[in-house]
Amino acid sequence: EAQVTQNPRYLITVTGKKLTVTCSQNMNHEYMSWYRQDPGLGLRQIYYSMNVEVTDKGDVPEGYKVSRKEKRNFPLILESPSPNQTSLYFCASSLREAGGEQYFGPGTRLTVT
Amino acid sequence: SQQGEEDPQALSIQEGENATMNCSYKTSINNLQWYRQNSGRGLVHLILIRSNEREKHSGRLRVTLDTSKKSSSLLITASRAADTASYFCATRNTGGFKTIFGAGTRLFVKA
Repeated sequence: EAQVTQNPRYLITVTGKKLTVTCSQNMNHEYMSWYRQDPGLGLRQIYYSMNVEVTDKGDVPEGYKVSRKEKRNFPLILESPSPNQTSLYFCASSLREAGGEQYFGPGTRLTVT
Repeated sequence: SQQGEEDPQALSIQEGENATMNCSYKTSINNLQWYRQNSGRGLVHLILIRSNEREKHSGRLRVTLDTSKKSSSLLITASRAADTASYFCATRNTGGFKTIFGAGTRLFVKA
């Protein structure tokens, strides 16, 4: 089944404790992206990747890192999480660049205390 | 910065009625997409309209695009209770790789 998976689905952590949210897709998509969703703000793009080893900042990259060492995986790293990073995070992928239909993962709900 | 702005923010209708949602954006785009989200879940792609298209249909969905006004509308005909969800427009700027989502319209269809 074609899908985007994220882990963990739920995470509660404390300020400053490094964490990684994994994202994997099995559709051989070139383009992958991370978004955060906050009430009233819709989805805001954090980082995106056009292909392996090619990443760029979205609109809200501060406090996040990403890497794209393999085509299927695009982990999101929070080196020192803060309470303002409490949010619902989505990973998405599409066949080419950002122009095509994006397939979304189920989301990761992160709470930073 | 948010580019897509949906209007209205929330919409409540009876089953069988039509629902219209609007989206405005600020810059030149390659395409505009509409997505649906059931509460707290991942978004599902509904329809994509390219900048050189004016109207597109998919089942009960009809999307229009007016590039001169930088706006799009999504019409859901003969709505069903199962259409209750949030709907988002998303744009990709011409020559860019970012995707920008609007804040969404929450649709509630009463049975």
